[in-house]
Amino acid sequence: AQKITQTQPGMFVQEKEAVTLDCTYDTSDPSYGLFWYKQPSSGEMIFLIYQGSYDQQNATEGRYSLNFQKARKSANLVISASQLGDSAMYFCATSYNQGGKLIFGQGTELSVKP
Amino acid sequence: DSGVTQTPKHLITATGQRVTLRCSPRSGDLSVYWYQQSLDQGLQFLIQYYNGEERAKGNILERFSAQQFPDLHSELNLSSLELGDSALYFCASSVEGGRSPLHFGNGTRLTVT
Repeated sequence: AQKITQTQPGMFVQEKEAVTLDCTYDTSDPSYGLFWYKQPSSGEMIFLIYQGSYDQQNATEGRYSLNFQKARKSANLVISASQLGDSAMYFCATSYNQGGKLIFGQGTELSVKP
Repeated sequence: DSGVTQTPKHLITATGQRVTLRCSPRSGDLSVYWYQQSLDQGLQFLIQYYNGEERAKGNILERFSAQQFPDLHSELNLSSLELGDSALYFCASSVEGGRSPLHFGNGTRLTVT
């Protein structure tokens, strides 16, 4: 069964610095997707970035990039030039087979300091 | 704005009662998913519908049921409510499985007193 592990319950980063949020996954499927979502204190879940297991290049979306290391089964999120508005919970997730449902990790709470 | 609409935003009810949560997916999305988010359990997948048919089932209690209608909107029914059912319930939709991200609604916060 798929499993996502986020080992950092909380992290602090100085404004304008880069930060890496860790995510490891466990799956026996050869084809899978990895997703990152942001949940601000207001509660909504915002999709940030996607990486497919067969994608050769690491995904990037603006200030977000995904450091995908398949052999290590890790899919870390890198946020460059942190902003105060980046303070939120961040969830890593993996797609389950081809059915579409996502399995989420426990999340990492990121606090950006001015 | 994700394009997924959930109503109501907040719901306060008593133990033993029954409530219905409603979700309208993004235009063009055929899959609808329901998730429960609580402090102790995190984000738990409940159930998925694809074009009106149940596609996958997760940790959904027997007291809970869902359906997806011909116009693709979905309802999650929670009955015989208990204090432990208090949580944030999310609906999400996607075009198809696998590579497509789920787009989440803003959630319904259920409080059972």
